[in-house]
Amino acid sequence: QVQLVQSGTEVKKPGASMTVSCKVSGAIITDFSIHWVRQAPGKGPEWMGGIDPKDGETVYAQRFQDRFTMTADTSRNTVYMQLVSLRSEDTAVYFCTTNWNFDSWGQGSLVTVSS
Amino acid sequence: DIQMTQSPSSLSASVGDTVAIACRASQDITEYLNWFQQKPGKAPKLLISVASSLQSGVPSRFSGSGSGTDYTLTIRSLQPEDFATYYCQQSYTTPYTFGQGTKVEIK
Repeated sequence: QVQLVQSGTEVKKPGASMTVSCKVSGAIITDFSIHWVRQAPGKGPEWMGGIDPKDGETVYAQRFQDRFTMTADTSRNTVYMQLVSLRSEDTAVYFCTTNWNFDSWGQGSLVTVSS
Repeated sequence: DIQMTQSPSSLSASVGDTVAIACRASQDITEYLNWFQQKPGKAPKLLISVASSLQSGVPSRFSGSGSGTDYTLTIRSLQPEDFATYYCQQSYTTPYTFGQGTKVEIK
């Protein structure tokens, strides 16, 4: 059973950066792709991008492309996402999820951006 | 980007009812359509992938159908634990996009 455990809640100031980790257990991260999906309060999910940990190849949603980075550390079986130049509209729960059909999910990481 | 439109946005139903949620894509997505259930404070849960393939452990009262641009999630004999928000999502091409959601409430 694949389990994804994410880092915890964060509060950030506008203009700051955030990093969320997603540690996988029960499988090796090179066995699948990992995607990041966020959900703003009261809104639907939004796909941000995905990474293939085998070769580090990434694909980003265009609206995040200039400030969003995903990396994979195979030695830690962990994937990371970083979002920079935060604004209030980035307040959301950030999820990691596996494969093109999002079949396993982390528990979510709440990030609040507020001055 | 492919737009996904769900209808209705909400519905009220009773335990034991059968409900159907529609999802329309702005272009043919060749059945690369997934359905998720989400409860408050939880991550979405994959119910059905590639339009009609039920995920392991998901009750058989859930079913999916459709092709091309039009898809349907049907829940037969609604149970109390089925009251939640449901999303469709296309995985035909990036950016992967979700519908706006359908909230299923208790009548």
